[in-house]
Amino acid sequence: DAGVIQSPRHEVTEMGQEVTLRCKPISGHNSLFWYRQTMMRGLELLIYFNNNVPIDDSGMPEDRFSAKMPNASFSTLKIQPSEPRDSAVYFCASSLGAVTEAFFGQGTRLTVV
Amino acid sequence: EDQVTQSPEALRLQEGESSSLNCSYTVSGLRGLFWYRQDPGKGPEFLFTLYSAGEEKEKERLKATLTKKESFLHITAPKPEDSATYLCAVQSSGNTPLVFGKGTRLSVIA
Repeated sequence: DAGVIQSPRHEVTEMGQEVTLRCKPISGHNSLFWYRQTMMRGLELLIYFNNNVPIDDSGMPEDRFSAKMPNASFSTLKIQPSEPRDSAVYFCASSLGAVTEAFFGQGTRLTVV
Repeated sequence: EDQVTQSPEALRLQEGESSSLNCSYTVSGLRGLFWYRQDPGKGPEFLFTLYSAGEEKEKERLKATLTKKESFLHITAPKPEDSATYLCAVQSSGNTPLVFGKGTRLSVIA
């Protein structure tokens, strides 16, 4: 298995633009997580899905952030409009059930200028 | 609210100099404690899961231990390739996703 695949690896965008991050989880995994990593706050959970259904989005910082999982093999995290404080590394992870170890993708480094 | 505190924030060792990293946690009920390794520019890589106090797991030069309030990651005779950030995470009995500490940046100098 290729593991969790994220795209793009790097994204530079201007403030106010829409940004879409993409994730393909490991085949057969039924839980998917979006995390954000910064030096100040470490790894923070944004939202997680179980069987394609959003279970907890309390970590989503504000309405500018939205996430979807239209099927078991694809998820998106959208930021609209983007702001400089959104600059961070965004990780997608998947697991077989929400109560086992999660496997991470390589991340998307987002820079908003 | 589940909380994880890791110490030290950074650790610099000479090759062969053994040491330990600490992970203190507060959870409503521990389902599992997880250790990950993260290399620069990469995602966290799973190392161990510990489920109950007294449990130990080993992998090469790494050994993880667990008590009711903390976990240690012992590194024996480290090599430069062990340099990375080591992350600790907990999962509570409420079936919630992993909550991570901020990590310990380990540098092993040849």
